[in-house]
Amino acid sequence: DAGVIQSPRHEVTEMGQEVTLRCKPISGHNSLFWYRQTMMRGLELLIYFNNNVPIDDSGMPEDRFSAKMPNASFSTLKIQPSEPRDSAVYFCASSLRDRGTSVFTDTQYFGPGTRLTVL
Amino acid sequence: QKEVEQNSGPLSVPEGAIASLNCTYSDRGSQSFFWYRQYSGKSPELIMSIYSNGDKEDGRFTAQLNKASQYVSLLIRDSQPSDSATYLCVPGGYNKLIFGAGTRLAVHP
Repeated sequence: DAGVIQSPRHEVTEMGQEVTLRCKPISGHNSLFWYRQTMMRGLELLIYFNNNVPIDDSGMPEDRFSAKMPNASFSTLKIQPSEPRDSAVYFCASSLRDRGTSVFTDTQYFGPGTRLTVL
Repeated sequence: QKEVEQNSGPLSVPEGAIASLNCTYSDRGSQSFFWYRQYSGKSPELIMSIYSNGDKEDGRFTAQLNKASQYVSLLIRDSQPSDSATYLCVPGGYNKLIFGAGTRLAVHP
């Protein structure tokens, strides 16, 4: 069974360019999370969706970041314009919402991540 | 005070020994607790979850939870070099999942 799929696995771009990261969650999962991991800040939640609807984007660092989930099997995280401080590993995770509990008690399955380097 | 406190390590143990990883958290509303393992350059992987006070065992792994003390631990028995990784303690609350910096474990032959 395929896990969470992310593309690209590596992205190197120049400052000011637009970057789009893609994620395909596990089939049947209805919650999707975008995380960013750096040595300095660890793993940070950027935004999460439930049933394709953005629920909490308070972790999105600034307006340069945007995320969409047009359907249950696809999500994008876009950075425009990109800056060197955006360099990090970006993970997508998905889970199956269990009625009656918080979305944050569901088991999350992480994708392999996208390593972004902004020069 | 950080929401999750873990010793960053590295925690170095000899092969075959018990590795003890500890974590304290500040959110009393946390109802569930997860231990994730992350190998260098890889994504986090869930290895244990625990929801009630006491111990939960799964193979060589035992998770221990004390909600009154806001303390979670993970014991790894018969440690193997393949256990060398960063272990993330993750309290799950009603409105967020809190990842700490993790503890780096190094198991040496």
